[in-house]
Amino acid sequence: EAQVTQNPRYLITVTGKKLTVTCSQNMNHEYMSWYRQDPGLGLRQIYYSMNVEVTDKGDVPEGYKVSRKEKRNFPLILESPSPNQTSLYFCASSSSSFYGYTFGSGTRLTVV
Amino acid sequence: GQQLNQSPQSMFIQEGEDVSMNCTSSSIFNTWLWYKQDPGEGPVLLIALYKAGELTSNGRLTAQFGITRKDSFLNISASIPSDVGIYFCAGQLINAGKSTFGDGTTLTVKP
Repeated sequence: EAQVTQNPRYLITVTGKKLTVTCSQNMNHEYMSWYRQDPGLGLRQIYYSMNVEVTDKGDVPEGYKVSRKEKRNFPLILESPSPNQTSLYFCASSSSSFYGYTFGSGTRLTVV
Repeated sequence: GQQLNQSPQSMFIQEGEDVSMNCTSSSIFNTWLWYKQDPGEGPVLLIALYKAGELTSNGRLTAQFGITRKDSFLNISASIPSDVGIYFCAGQLINAGKSTFGDGTTLTVKP
């Protein structure tokens, strides 16, 4: 089944403890992206990647890192999480900038 | 950065009624997309629009890409309870991975 898989689904962590949210897609898509969703703010793009080793900042990149060493994987790294990064995170992939994204099921992160 | 203004923010309708929502932007896009998000899930693509003026249907859904390339609307006809969810518009540029989303329209359908 064609899908975007992100893990974990739920995560509670403490301020300052580095964490990684993994994302993998099995559709051989060139484009991958991370979004965060907060009540009343819709979906905001954090980082995106148009190909292996090519990443670029979205609208809210501060406090996040990404890497794209392989086509299928696009992990999101929070080096020193803070409470304002408590949010619902989505990974997504697409075959082209011309088409829409296929989204994963989300990771609900709580930073205390 | 680019911003999309999506309206209305929420809608409460009776089953069987038609629904209309729209998005406007301060800048142009090459592609307009409409997604639906069910509770606890990621957004799912409903309709993609690629040309100014284009009108596209998907079952009871109809969407249009505005002539100015700065706006789009989505209509849902004869709503049913499973239409409940959050609807997002999104704009994209060609050869750019960046996509901009509206804040969403929350739809509630009363049986």
